[in-house]
Amino acid sequence: DTEVTQTPKHLVMGMTNKKSLKCEQHMGHRAMYWYKQKAKKPPELMFVYSYEKLSINESVPSRFSPECPNSSLLNLHLHALQPEDSALYLCASSQAPGASGETQYFGPGTRLLVL
Amino acid sequence: SQKIEQNSEALNIQEGKTATLTCNYTNYSPAYLQWYRQDPGRGPVFLLLIRENEKEKRKERLKVTFDTTLKQSLFHITASQPADSATYLCALTPGGSYIPTFGRGTSLIVHP
Repeated sequence: DTEVTQTPKHLVMGMTNKKSLKCEQHMGHRAMYWYKQKAKKPPELMFVYSYEKLSINESVPSRFSPECPNSSLLNLHLHALQPEDSALYLCASSQAPGASGETQYFGPGTRLLVL
Repeated sequence: SQKIEQNSEALNIQEGKTATLTCNYTNYSPAYLQWYRQDPGRGPVFLLLIRENEKEKRKERLKVTFDTTLKQSLFHITASQPADSATYLCALTPGGSYIPTFGRGTSLIVHP
């Protein structure tokens, strides 16, 4: 299984809502990532989990809260978002943090619209 | 500051021709460079990886070159097909890191 899955595919939420994005992989990868991507822009790194521990937080506002319940799952909890947070949210995984020649396997993304 | 530059204008070519996309970088010492394909509204898909000590890599109709003196990578698709139409992202990973930084990508449109 070489797939990263993400749910939901689409999400519309108001600024007072609380929602969660979910990501799953069964490739035995020990690094998992959240990216945010706006139209015609590159993916921007948000968080990195390495062996289920948060290793990188790229100064992301606290209204985004990541969670890694186990080595296969990654969640992104959303609360009190702003309209400018509307974007494609991508989850990715890679084999082992620190291994040379890491390639990233991306999920299909969640298209988020904040009203 | 570190910069990765990919042509923001779309590349339009005729089916059967070779598409060549460029990735230039400044203030980087990448240990390796990757190319990904991204379709609209979808996540990037890994295509090829080339290391700093390699000049060229091939995979089927794809070829990547890496010139660390010019600070440039070229990505070629030979015998292009309309199905190759997508955005192609380059990503650089510096030595000592495992996390790539992505360029904004170049859109390729192959006309039948």
